[in-house]
Amino acid sequence: SYVLTQPPSVSVAPGKTARITCGGNNIGSKSVHWYQQKPGQAPVLVIYYDSDRPSGIPERFSGSNSGNTATLTISRVEAGDEADYYCQVWDSSSDDVVFGGGTKLTVL
Amino acid sequence: QVQLQESGPGLVKPSQTLSLTCTVSGGSISSGSYYWSWIRQPAGKGLEWIGRIYTSGSTNYNPSLKSRVTISVDTSKNQFSLKLSSVTAADTAVYYCARVMAGEHWFDPWGQGTLVTVSS
Repeated sequence: SYVLTQPPSVSVAPGKTARITCGGNNIGSKSVHWYQQKPGQAPVLVIYYDSDRPSGIPERFSGSNSGNTATLTISRVEAGDEADYYCQVWDSSSDDVVFGGGTKLTVL
Repeated sequence: QVQLQESGPGLVKPSQTLSLTCTVSGGSISSGSYYWSWIRQPAGKGLEWIGRIYTSGSTNYNPSLKSRVTISVDTSKNQFSLKLSSVTAADTAVYYCARVMAGEHWFDPWGQGTLVTVSS
C-alpha cells in the first residue's frame, strides 16, 4: 500500500516560516490534502488539492506538491498554529485513503 | 453549514461489536457529490481511515480492517453507522465521522469525535 512519510516534529520561532514535508513515491501525481489538529480537537482541513485553501483558512497557509515531496508552508507563524499536521492522499489504484504519520509543529 | 455528530457506547467489551452512529445536520446526506466516512485515532497516535459509504450503499474499507467492518447509511434519518466486530484493546481510539469529497477524497467537515474504550 501507499506510504506517506512526515517528520515527527518541526520547530519554528514566531513570525518565521514553517515548512512541513510529506514524502511519497511520485506523490506529485496525486492530490495532497493537509489537516491541522489541536489537542483534544478534531482535525480541520487547511489545504486541499495540493494548494487550495478552504474558506476561513488564513492565506498564511499554502501548499505545494512535486516529485516525491509535498509541502505545507505556514508563513508568519503564530503561537496559535502550534498543532499536529497530517497529510493525506487518495490512492486511486487501490481506492484507499492514506494519512501521513503526522508532524508536531512547535512554536518556540 | 453541515455538521456531524458521533454517538454510541463509550465502552465495549473485548470480542464484542463496536457500534457508532453519525448524525448529519444542516444538510441532506443524499445531496451533492459526497461520500461519508469513518476515521479513528488511538491516543497519542495518527489517523487511520476505516472506510466510506455513498448514499447508494456502495462501500469501501481499509484493507487492514475490511474483514471486521460494516458501514451502512440511513438516508431517512440522515445518519450513517459503523460496526466493528471482534474488538480488542487495539481498537480503543477516538472515532471520527467525516464528509468526503468524491473524487480526490478530502475530509471536511469532521465530527468532534467519540472515545471508545475496549475493556472488560
